[in-house]
Amino acid sequence: DSGVTQTPKHLITATGQRVTLRCSPRSGDLSVYWYQQSLDQGLQFLIQYYNGEERAKGNILERFSAQQFPDLHSELNLSSLELGDSALYFCASSVKAASPYGYTFGSGTRLTVV
Amino acid sequence: DQQVKQNSPSLSVQEGRISILNCDYTNSMFDYFLWYKKYPAEGPTFLISISSIKDKNEDGRFTVFLNKSAKHLSLHIVPSQPGDSAVYFCAASAQEYGNKLVFGAGTILRVKS
Repeated sequence: DSGVTQTPKHLITATGQRVTLRCSPRSGDLSVYWYQQSLDQGLQFLIQYYNGEERAKGNILERFSAQQFPDLHSELNLSSLELGDSALYFCASSVKAASPYGYTFGSGTRLTVV
Repeated sequence: DQQVKQNSPSLSVQEGRISILNCDYTNSMFDYFLWYKKYPAEGPTFLISISSIKDKNEDGRFTVFLNKSAKHLSLHIVPSQPGDSAVYFCAASAQEYGNKLVFGAGTILRVKS
């Protein structure tokens, strides 16, 4: 158990629907990162939050949004889902806002859009 | 734009031999490099890292080599063990970009006993 909790582990939904992925960071970590891993792709950085504020944005689609709540858990909202959104979505957390080390990853949410 | 590339999707090695995983990058601003290991149904876990001011870092059976002029790094595992079978991701970061990690596509390592 890495200390980063992601729910649900698996999600199957239809095109056009909306889903919410949840991440609880490791205790004491203030920064949360979301990554997407599609088939044969590396982990693509989507977005980072630090202590409730958006810190950095990557290749995140406009149909996707995220937020970090006062208790530091984060949610990634995916709407108007398309078949190509099927992927593994990982959350990672770290203590600092801008440090390359100390990332702890959750076990991911596997999203299947049918 | 794949700034970090792992050109070998998979590698198969005999137990006890050396495993060499390669990674190339294109952005000269990267100043910190990491390797992560991922087992099925788990998230990536940190394995070893190297700063751009060094050319080698060793941790037990794992050694990472960095060739800045060639924008190339490699991970050596000696001796390889069946438990090393996993997906290995190379990652890079730059202070210029807030140190967020940029990952390669990963290499599947299979160590045969």
